[in-house]
Amino acid sequence: DADVTQTPRNRITKTGKRIMLECSQTKGHDRMYWYRQDPGLGLRLIYYSFDVKDINKGEISDGYSVSRQAQAKFSLSLESAIPNQTALYFCATSDWSGHEQYFGPGTRLTVT
Amino acid sequence: AQKVTQAQTEISVVEKEDVTLDCVYETRDTTYYLFWYKQPPSGELVFLIRRNSFDEQNEISGRYSWNFQKSTSSFNFTITASQVVDSAVYFCALSEAVGNEKLTFGTGTRLTIIP
Repeated sequence: DADVTQTPRNRITKTGKRIMLECSQTKGHDRMYWYRQDPGLGLRLIYYSFDVKDINKGEISDGYSVSRQAQAKFSLSLESAIPNQTALYFCATSDWSGHEQYFGPGTRLTVT
Repeated sequence: AQKVTQAQTEISVVEKEDVTLDCVYETRDTTYYLFWYKQPPSGELVFLIRRNSFDEQNEISGRYSWNFQKSTSSFNFTITASQVVDSAVYFCALSEAVGNEKLTFGTGTRLTIIP
């Protein structure tokens, strides 16, 4: 089984809808991250969490929120989706050193 | 602020040719880590290598090799005798070593190996 899983893998939603992307990990890592990937822009950090009680904004947090329900779960929410949030979203985890991040398979989100 | 530049947006080479992917970085830290990731057409991100700023030795892993030069702030990646399976998008990334271990990615280089 994969160490980092993301659900759903693909999602199409309409403008204005609320949507949640979920990430689970079995690596026992404290640190979890959410990134989005856009063509030609690489990956950009949305939010990160160093433990259950520590959540921080990344480079592009506007329009997103997160919830760290447990060490193993980190969810990303779009409260009111808009078309420019169409992207590939990756969850990642790392141990205390933070120096190697393990990525989930990605969630392809389309907002129409 | 840290920055990673991958100036080559797309590269195409014929199978069995060697190819080098360039990566130039900027950081104010003296201690940092550099990474390369591969993203095949299936979309997942595959970790290839991590190098810390104190280790300037070049590394070779099979057909892959990496050249780290602090003097030019570069961390280039060479594939020798390329194969079709090497076709992917390759990302270079940087993280500061202490207190701020977030990855900053370059924009990626799309490598196409022509059979």
